[in-house]
Amino acid sequence: KAGVTQTPRYLIKTRGQQVTLSCSPISGHRSVSWYQQTPGQGLQFLFEYFSETQRNKGNFPGRFSGRQFSNSRSEMNVSTLELGDSALYLCASREDYEQYFGPGTRLTVT
Amino acid sequence: AQKVTQAQTEISVVEKEDVTLDCVYETRDTTYYLFWYKQPPSGELVFLIRRNSFDEQNEISGRYSWNFQKSTSSFNFTITASQVVDSAVYFCALSEPNRDDKIIFGKGTRLHILP
Repeated sequence: KAGVTQTPRYLIKTRGQQVTLSCSPISGHRSVSWYQQTPGQGLQFLFEYFSETQRNKGNFPGRFSGRQFSNSRSEMNVSTLELGDSALYLCASREDYEQYFGPGTRLTVT
Repeated sequence: AQKVTQAQTEISVVEKEDVTLDCVYETRDTTYYLFWYKQPPSGELVFLIRRNSFDEQNEISGRYSWNFQKSTSSFNFTITASQVVDSAVYFCALSEPNRDDKIIFGKGTRLHILP
């Protein structure tokens, strides 16, 4: 099976812009989670989607949103970007409790 | 509240030495899962192991072994005869399936294996 894929891999945006990141889970996996990784805060959970419904949400402001499509692909959107949003955004799909991560999207906000 | 603490921020050892990465967790539930992940320089997290709270048996997989002790709320990871390819950031994580089922990660331990 193909692994979790994320696009784009690298992104540079300007403060105030918005961005959409995409994640394709492993075939057959219905759960997709998103994480933000920064040097200071480590890996922080953003949200999880299961069968197109948000199942869990972390402690992030409303500027961070996501959705999942019927084919389990997921997108996350960050509006009104801030410098502090610069991070590696990781997506993971899971079957049971084994979570498989994608390579991440490195977002730089200038 | 659930919490995972990896007190060792960074460790350096010489190749072929054994090294243990510590993980201490906090949870109010009796049912929970513990994980270890490896993040090499490429950035992708690699799943290493999952343990449920009812199984305290230690596990060995090649040069890797895990020691789960509920009495001390610890789930430590040992690499025997370390190799340069083991250099990475290692994360311990916890989930509570009967609560919100989120997987919460520790801050990670950066391991340097020196040739």
